[in-house]
Amino acid sequence: GDSVTQMEGPVTLSEEAFLTINCTYTATGYPSLFWYVQYPGEGLQLLLKATKADDKGSNKGFEATYRKETTSFHLEKGSVQVSDSAVYFCAPAYGGATNKLIFGTGTLLAVQP
Amino acid sequence: DTGVSQDPRHKITKRGQNVTFRCDPISEHNRLYWYRQTLGQGPEFLTYFQNEAQLEKSRLLSDRFSAERPKGSFSTLEIQRTEQGDSAMYLCASSLGGVAGVTYEQYFGPGTRLTVT
Repeated sequence: GDSVTQMEGPVTLSEEAFLTINCTYTATGYPSLFWYVQYPGEGLQLLLKATKADDKGSNKGFEATYRKETTSFHLEKGSVQVSDSAVYFCAPAYGGATNKLIFGTGTLLAVQP
Repeated sequence: DTGVSQDPRHKITKRGQNVTFRCDPISEHNRLYWYRQTLGQGPEFLTYFQNEAQLEKSRLLSDRFSAERPKGSFSTLEIQRTEQGDSAMYLCASSLGGVAGVTYEQYFGPGTRLTVT
């Protein structure tokens, strides 16, 4: 069935380090791709999205490019801050008209000052 | 716009009791989704509505679970005869929808954390 695989955490980085969180998905159909973020004690927030091949989603310094050939949507940020500490979820939207999100297990990012 | 709201935020119940959760979506959104998230995992799709019609249910949704969206606005999720395995965070999300070939963003509420003792 439809699935997504995310890099396991926790990922611990120092402030201003470069971040990559890997995400690959199964290639059933042509899903739209999303990254959501969950800050401590808060609900899920949409971080960025891409809807077709080679699209780049970006927000708050984070970027991810829809790579159809490798079925990947890796999240990157050039310089992380302590305030980026959160759990990050990769989520393709499958199901045709349903557009249900299939979430990965999440990657905990801890940024140290 | 105040976003998606859910009530209650926390619910503790004893095994065998029935519980009901409410979700109020963003007002102009015609789609409403329910997901369940257990500790250390990503959310899992349970069901969704377009307006008042429930169009898909996951196999995760046993017959003890029922969801409604009677007037196409708020939705309720009821769990009958709760079991300890039902302990989880229940998330509601809403979006626009219904246009062929267009994927809209889903906006999530804060969730209802259910603990079954």
